[in-house]
Amino acid sequence: KAGVTQTPRYLIKTRGQQVTLSCSPISGHRSVSWYQQTPGQGLQFLFEYFSETQRNKGNFPGRFSGRQFSNSRSEMNVSTLELGDSALYLCASSGGRNTGELFFGEGSRLTVL
Amino acid sequence: AQKVTQAQTEISVVEKEDVTLDCVYETRDTTYYLFWYKQPPSGELVFLIRRNSFDEQNEISGRYSWNFQKSTSSFNFTITASQVVDSAVYFCALKNSGGSNYKLTFGKGTLLTVNP
Repeated sequence: KAGVTQTPRYLIKTRGQQVTLSCSPISGHRSVSWYQQTPGQGLQFLFEYFSETQRNKGNFPGRFSGRQFSNSRSEMNVSTLELGDSALYLCASSGGRNTGELFFGEGSRLTVL
Repeated sequence: AQKVTQAQTEISVVEKEDVTLDCVYETRDTTYYLFWYKQPPSGELVFLIRRNSFDEQNEISGRYSWNFQKSTSSFNFTITASQVVDSAVYFCALKNSGGSNYKLTFGKGTLLTVNP
């Protein structure tokens, strides 16, 4: 079956702009989460959604937001972009069993100039 | 607080060499899961293994093996007879048993380069 799909794969923005990233989980997976990966901070948990509800949020400012739709697809939005927001944003989905086994997409690489 | 330390930032080996990636973790929980994920150049993290804190039995899967030692809080990963396709960043991660499925604490990763 198809894996986790993230769009766009690459994008370039300038400071102050906003960006929306999309994630389609594996068919049948209802849980989706987002991670930010940077060389300095590594992989950091952003937020988690299940059945359109945010269940957990990492330690990120309010400029980072997300949502999940009824078909389990998820979007994350970053407003008022800063240079430090340049990162690989990874989406992961899970089949629901609380085992920590996650299925990741290839990520959206955001560059902020 | 949970913490995962991968002291080796980069490792470079020649094909067919054995290589061990170190992982040391800290947690106050008595029940937890440990993981290894592989991140090839394409970007997606690929799940390799999960180990429950109650199961210290070592595991072997083909050329991969994992050594879990609670006494030293370590969960090391060995690749035997490495191949060029093993080149990737490898992440060790930790999750407590009761927490969200997604709140994994990741190490900073080890970049493994296998040269032909």
